[in-house]
Amino acid sequence: EAQVTQNPRYLITVTGKKLTVTCSQNMNHEYMSWYRQDPGLGLRQIYYSMNVEVTDKGDVPEGYKVSRKEKRNFPLILESPSPNQTSLYFCASSLLGGMNTEAFFGQGTRLTVV
Amino acid sequence: QQQVKQSPQSLIVQKGGISIINCAYENTAFDYFPWYQQFPGKGPALLIAIRPDVSEKKEGRFTISFNKSAKQFSLHIMDSQPGDSATYFCAALGAGSARQLTFGSGTQLTVLP
Repeated sequence: EAQVTQNPRYLITVTGKKLTVTCSQNMNHEYMSWYRQDPGLGLRQIYYSMNVEVTDKGDVPEGYKVSRKEKRNFPLILESPSPNQTSLYFCASSLLGGMNTEAFFGQGTRLTVV
Repeated sequence: QQQVKQSPQSLIVQKGGISIINCAYENTAFDYFPWYQQFPGKGPALLIAIRPDVSEKKEGRFTISFNKSAKQFSLHIMDSQPGDSATYFCAALGAGSARQLTFGSGTQLTVLP
């Protein structure tokens, strides 16, 4: 089954404690990205990657890091989380070229930073 | 700066009615306009999409109307059903190499039985 898998689904942490949210896709997609969803703001892109070892900032990258060492995995790293990073996070993947540009989303990770 | 503006923020419709959600964009470099549907506890999923060379696309009860000159597009849900209750996001895809999806702020649709 084609899917994007995120872990964990729920996470409560304290300010400043480093955390990683994992994302894996099994569709051999080149393009992967992270979004955060906040009420009234929709989905805002944090970082994206167009292929292995190629990453770039999205609209709201401050406080986040990513890496793309393998095509299927795209972890999101919060080195020193702060309460304003409390949000619902989604990983997505898609093909990069051609007419089929559907983005497939994971189930989401609800992060609370206290 | 929000490049895709979506309205209304919430919408309540009776079963069988028509739901209409509107979006407007600013960047003329967008070349693909999808709508995503999100149920509680789930990630968004592609519902229907349109390219700017057509003015309308219909899939079942869902129709996108696209007005390139006005830089507006809308989603119409005909014969709305309680199972359509979800959050709907319009989006626009940039034509550049980054292929970044820019989302609207979302519309929470409730269809009353």
